[in-house]
Amino acid sequence: GAGVSQTPSNKVTEKGKYVELRCDPISGHTALYWYRQSLGQGPEFLIYFQGTGAADDSGLPNDRFFAVRPEGSVSTLKIQRTERGDSAVYLCASSLIGGTTDTQYFGPGTRLTVL
Amino acid sequence: KQEVTQIPAALSVPEGENLVLNCSFTDSAIYNLQWFRQDPGKGLTSLLLIQSSQREQTSGRLNASLDKSSGRSTLYIAASQPGDSATYLCAVRYNQGGKLIFGQGTELSVKP
Repeated sequence: GAGVSQTPSNKVTEKGKYVELRCDPISGHTALYWYRQSLGQGPEFLIYFQGTGAADDSGLPNDRFFAVRPEGSVSTLKIQRTERGDSAVYLCASSLIGGTTDTQYFGPGTRLTVL
Repeated sequence: KQEVTQIPAALSVPEGENLVLNCSFTDSAIYNLQWFRQDPGKGLTSLLLIQSSQREQTSGRLNASLDKSSGRSTLYIAASQPGDSATYLCAVRYNQGGKLIFGQGTELSVKP
């Protein structure tokens, strides 16, 4: 079946602009996660949704970052007034909570470059 | 602070060698631990997941062990192949459904 998909695969923007990154989770997965990965580092947690609500947004670095999941499926990560330091690969993952395992399945990521 | 450390940061071995990658975590009260593989420019592929009650998991040439009391996990790769070349990431979780906390990864290169 289809895995986690993310669009766009690459996004180049200018400092100060607004960007939206989209994640389509595996069908039926109730939990959705956003992570950010800088070059040479492991992914860092941003936010986690259980259904439509944010269960944990402790990883969002500041109020320029916001994420929504209005229907409990697709999620959008929104970044306002982008800064060069926001350049990274943004990864999305989904999982089915309550099964025998809750393995997180990752998408290919969106590479964001802020010029 | 809950942190995950992976040693070494990079490893190069000749084809056919057995090898061990190390992962340590500061807070031993984990819910589970997961090993991932990441190819350049790609997302993460889950290799093995070990629940806190388990000591090890095996899949093909891969074996992951967990020692909660010492805050350590190892990933053993038998008879390494050039196709195993990738970055290997260890991640821990402290509650069901919760976030993963990742190490910085070990970049493995298997030379033919």
